[in-house]
Amino acid sequence: QQKVQQSPESLIVPEGGMASLNCTSSDRNVDYFWWYRQHSGKSPKMLMSIFSNGEKEEGRFTVHLNKASLHTSLHIRDSQPSDSALYLCAASMHYNQGKLIFGQGTKLSIKP
Amino acid sequence: ETAVFQTPNYHVTQVGNEVSFNCKQTLGHDTMYWYKQDSKKLLKIMFSYNNKQLIVNETVPRRFSPQSSDKAHLNLRIKSVEPEDSAVYLCASSYGSSQNTLYFGAGTRLSVL
Repeated sequence: QQKVQQSPESLIVPEGGMASLNCTSSDRNVDYFWWYRQHSGKSPKMLMSIFSNGEKEEGRFTVHLNKASLHTSLHIRDSQPSDSALYLCAASMHYNQGKLIFGQGTKLSIKP
Repeated sequence: ETAVFQTPNYHVTQVGNEVSFNCKQTLGHDTMYWYKQDSKKLLKIMFSYNNKQLIVNETVPRRFSPQSSDKAHLNLRIKSVEPEDSAVYLCASSYGSSQNTLYFGAGTRLSVL
């Protein structure tokens, strides 16, 4: 069973709109969350990380984390066509160094 | 900027052949990984090495074997490939802590005919 679940599977957002992506872990041992972005034909690159409850903002990107529910979300405001990519949520446990577990991804398409 | 280098980019082979993939990182990291990304884009960890020591060994078929000569190199050998081995194999590196970011190479796409 997949320990990191993402929703939706795919998302279409108009240019300039807000994209909201969700991720939940079913493993209570999860401590840390990341969001990676993978453009078509390229390798994943880390976008943002969040380790504590609350919110973190970097430019147009905001991540939220609720540790009690093991839920994180990524919000992209003023979406641009270059934001079209596969967004991968990943989680790790503090005791299990070296093992990052990925969700199945959300395919985001920004329509001009 | 690419600092995790994988070779080859692509490899086409037949069932039963042996293949080897190479990975080198120039970031000075102490931990390296092999991930497999299937046709549905799901990324699954296969192996992880910290300072040449195996620290993660997921349930993968015995025909897969990682090889680390030093902390900057991690190769992957597949002894007798099967059709289900067709995938993109991604090498990554990081500093050892679970709080640190993974840097991925461009990947090796394997096609088994």
